[in-house]
Amino acid sequence: AQSVTQLGSHVSVSEGALVLLRCNYSSSVPPYLFWYVQYPNQGLQLLLKYTTGATLVKGINGFEAEFKKSETSFHLTKPSAHMSEAAEYLCAVTSDESARQLTFGSGTQLTVLP
Amino acid sequence: EAGVAQSPRYKIIEKRQSVAFWCNPISGHATLYWYQQILGQGPKLLIQFQNNGVVDDSQLPKDRFSAERLKGVDSTLKIQPAKLEDSAVYLCASSLGSDTQYFGPGTRLTVL
Repeated sequence: AQSVTQLGSHVSVSEGALVLLRCNYSSSVPPYLFWYVQYPNQGLQLLLKYTTGATLVKGINGFEAEFKKSETSFHLTKPSAHMSEAAEYLCAVTSDESARQLTFGSGTQLTVLP
Repeated sequence: EAGVAQSPRYKIIEKRQSVAFWCNPISGHATLYWYQQILGQGPKLLIQFQNNGVVDDSQLPKDRFSAERLKGVDSTLKIQPAKLEDSAVYLCASSLGSDTQYFGPGTRLTVL
């Protein structure tokens, strides 16, 4: 069985400040890991994903995440937050053994303060 | 390339009524997923199709929920009868068989 824990259901940062959203996963097999962003009344948009290879993954709009197997983590970062990036951020895990079905965390609501 | 289409976008019904949601995946995507996202939670998989066959429906409440993908393209999810706890956003996603799922805008269901 797989699971995802997102620490902090709400995170607030000032515009221009570092964004750090935490994600820890549990998986008995090599995981594939994803970050999605969800704006109000919209579907999920893929930010970035880790499958194999380089553990530092770069995504859209300057977001990055690093897969750390020893810590079972896949935290999302961005050096400088923009007001437009206030949204819900969802971390998800899947694997070949789970037929690629995504298991999501409960999400982190990012607020960007002026 | 057109994305995943869903309709309606919003639906309000009373408990014990029935409701149906429609999803048209990205052209050529063989795998289709339905998720339920309750307010404040992450999406939870309800059912996964591969072409017109069901891969996994273990989390679908089959006493009231049903889904079909008869021609292996678009899909319908039905709830009959609806309960208050079914209030949620219903998300459809599709994939080409790779690891990336593409999501539609969702249908927000309110059961009164």
